[in-house]
Amino acid sequence: NAGVTQTPKFQVLKTGQSMTLQCAQDMNHNSMYWYRQDPGMGLRLIYYSASEGTTDKGEVPNGYNVSRLNKREFSLRLESAAPSQTSVYFCASKHTNYGYTFGSGTRLTVV
Amino acid sequence: AQRVTQPEKLLSVFKGAPVELKCNYSYSGSPELFWYVQYSRQRLQLLLRHISRESIKGFTADLNKGETSFHLKKPFAQEEDSAMYYCALSGYSNSGYALNFGKGTSLLVTP
Repeated sequence: NAGVTQTPKFQVLKTGQSMTLQCAQDMNHNSMYWYRQDPGMGLRLIYYSASEGTTDKGEVPNGYNVSRLNKREFSLRLESAAPSQTSVYFCASKHTNYGYTFGSGTRLTVV
Repeated sequence: AQRVTQPEKLLSVFKGAPVELKCNYSYSGSPELFWYVQYSRQRLQLLLRHISRESIKGFTADLNKGETSFHLKKPFAQEEDSAMYYCALSGYSNSGYALNFGKGTSLLVTP
């Protein structure tokens, strides 16, 4: 049981490049989330998906897009990366009656 | 509006001393509260949920609805407790239903 798997673990991008962060969970959870973690800011919600086929904006959605490809997978796309998007990105999923499970994170640097 | 406040960015205690990490919240409803721990550059791990009322690694937390607090306590701190601790509230906000984090408290336990 892998839980929540994120790829890649590390990435360096040049300003203006695009990339997709992948997230998959094998726990049959309905809800999935993308957060970014910055020093002194805690974790802030970027986008979430309450169920397959639905996505909604969180607190800091600008510059990002998401796709809930199926129940297992929830990807985060940066169309034109900016230095302000340098952060650690965490994906999470939630069972209806239990807590949230987090992936190991993607450390992204935009230069 | 939903809010989680952790007033201390850094808390330093000696090994064997009691430790209390403070968390206050605001939420118009019945909150679901959590404590997560993040060891150096690792994923977030669930430490406690208020509804399970259990003790993990010697830590406890009691929900005080009158004071809107969910402080994390441990009677005798250990060096391996050094980590980042996040208090989080699961509920509805302008961003939908998700986990809303405080900014975190870095706990340092020194010998």
